[in-house]
Amino acid sequence: DVQLVESGGDLVHPGGSLRLSCAASGFTFSNYWMDWVRQAPGKGLEWVANIGGDGNGKYFGDSVKGRFTISRDNAKRSVFLQMNNLRAEDTAVYYCARVRSGSQYDVMDVWGRGTTVIVSS
Amino acid sequence: MVLTQSPATLSLSPGERATLSCRASHSISKNLAWYQHKPGQPPRLVMYDASNRATGIPARFSGSGSGTDFTLTISSLEPEDFAVYYCQQYRHFGQGTRLELK
Repeated sequence: DVQLVESGGDLVHPGGSLRLSCAASGFTFSNYWMDWVRQAPGKGLEWVANIGGDGNGKYFGDSVKGRFTISRDNAKRSVFLQMNNLRAEDTAVYYCARVRSGSQYDVMDVWGRGTTVIVSS
Repeated sequence: MVLTQSPATLSLSPGERATLSCRASHSISKNLAWYQHKPGQPPRLVMYDASNRATGIPARFSGSGSGTDFTLTISSLEPEDFAVYYCQQYRHFGQGTRLELK
């Protein structure tokens, strides 16, 4: 089965750092762009970042640019989101998602169940 | 790019027809996807390229539109269809339409 499993969510103080992981299975991981999307409590979906299959293309949402980085290890079939200088407004459920093959505009066809990040003192 | 969904909330009963709208701030051809999101679950792709049903999505779901105006239609609501629906294009999501049980 095609599956994505996120981990690494935690309670962290403002200004702190956290690294999220997403482990993939059931598909040729290196062939796919991978995205991170989040949902803050009571809010809608917000796109966070994505990375190309070979790890060369990386893009970030304006609200996280300069604070978050994204990387992947294709040998370990995993994608990572390094979050630095965390703010209260980064509190959210973070989802890892696969971009549909051939998609021209980030259609996300497989999603993990999410991992929760809480930024609070 | 701004995606504006309407209505914010739609209250209907099972068996009724649901029509959800998404308007883009500029033309995006047919490059639009729709997702269904239920509490405690990950979002689920429902429609892509405006009118193509994703794998496993029942035929009561249909999508239409191009350019700036798009519609997701559920022809006869089933209890499991009540959820929040988002449209999306590239790194932009609409604010969502909550489809609730009347």
